[in-house]
Amino acid sequence: ETGVTQSPTHLIKTRGQQVTLRCSSQSGHNTVSWYQQALGQGPQFIFQYYREEENGRGNFPPRFSGLQFPNYSSELNVNALELDDSALYLCASSLARPSGANVLTFGAGSRLTVL
Amino acid sequence: SQQGEEDPQALSIQEGENATMNCSYKTSINNLQWYRQNSGRGLVHLILIRSNEREKHSGRLRVTLDTSKKSSSLLITASRAADTASYFCATVPNQAGTALIFGKGTTLSVSS
Repeated sequence: ETGVTQSPTHLIKTRGQQVTLRCSSQSGHNTVSWYQQALGQGPQFIFQYYREEENGRGNFPPRFSGLQFPNYSSELNVNALELDDSALYLCASSLARPSGANVLTFGAGSRLTVL
Repeated sequence: SQQGEEDPQALSIQEGENATMNCSYKTSINNLQWYRQNSGRGLVHLILIRSNEREKHSGRLRVTLDTSKKSSSLLITASRAADTASYFCATVPNQAGTALIFGKGTTLSVSS
């Protein structure tokens, strides 16, 4: 059973550019969540995808967008990058349960630096 | 926005001692979970406690939940140097679907 894999692990962009981060879910999981973690802070919820549709969104502007594919892999796209977008981006997959007791399996993250 | 707030922000102890971290949250919840993160890597799930449970154990971990006070605590007994990490509580608010909302974390340092 493979875990959650993210790519790239590190990248550097300049202000105004666009970035795409990728995530492969753990086998058997149908839900993907993305989080942004600034240095010294807790992960902030960006959005969640279930069955290829956005299923919840945190307080992030529309320039943060995502996709989930039929194989449950996912992308996070950020347009018009700002300096404050520099952070560790974490992808987590889970198996949606009606009880709401979803346990997340995290990838190792993509470290984005915006100059 | 953060749902949970951990206390203390940082904790330094010696190997063999117990470590206690607290978490307070704001809204009613479906369940509360604790996660661990080593050196800015991905988070690892430790334990889940449902809103109708008061205490749960897993190995050297003990979690309590007091829904009347909207608080939880994580106790790590007989700490080891390998327990050095950041610990986060995360909640699933009843009115916010199934998304996990994390606190700011407690950084635990265990010295040998």
